Amino acid sequence: SQQGEEDPQALSIQEGENATMNCSYKTSINNLQWYRQNSGRGLVHLILIRSNEREKHSGRLRVTLDTSKKSSSLLITASRAADTASYFCATVDSNSGYALNFGKGTSLLVTP
Amino acid sequence: DAGVIQSPRHEVTEMGQEVTLRCKPISGHNSLFWYRQTMMRGLELLIYFNNNVPIDDSGMPEDRFSAKMPNASFSTLKIQPSEPRDSAVYFCASSLEWDRQSRQPQHFGDGTRLSIL
Repeated sequence: SQQGEEDPQALSIQEGENATMNCSYKTSINNLQWYRQNSGRGLVHLILIRSNEREKHSGRLRVTLDTSKKSSSLLITASRAADTASYFCATVDSNSGYALNFGKGTSLLVTP
Repeated sequence: DAGVIQSPRHEVTEMGQEVTLRCKPISGHNSLFWYRQTMMRGLELLIYFNNNVPIDDSGMPEDRFSAKMPNASFSTLKIQPSEPRDSAVYFCASSLEWDRQSRQPQHFGDGTRLSIL
């Protein structure tokens, strides 16, 4: 069952601009993960943030987590054309099973 | 390092035929997942194996779907008989030590694009 819901569904920006994607979820979590999917490829893990963390950085990526609002955001700074992909948040429900529940993703287009 | 390997990459077949999708997880990973991705429903977990044992198959849509993991380096997902609504991209993913507390990422193959005519 879907847990995360990304917003916006689609985002178009120019190279060099920042891209922000948001994710909301419904139940308590142990951690939240962000994945990227290039067209025709599998998902690639980007970053994981634990439920007791509020912010995490990895290169040009910045992830925030607000457990009180059950939401997370992914910021990609100084975007590049190669960042064009779909981005998914995923959660493991701390109460129920082992499923990594994905949202439907944000489709990001970065134009030169 | 070799990633998760899936075969075939594409499969087109007529409804009623048996379809077998194959997956080789990353060596040393003890958790394996099968997902299905469609535009309407997004990514759905079908089944999860841990140490070759099926742990959660609640996502398997119906009895036409079955999955096996005879050893740590191979898994199959079979659909028999196939129907047009089974058309989707099927992904296999593997991970180290997956549990509810897991901080290990899942590594995905590039999927099998299945079209049932």
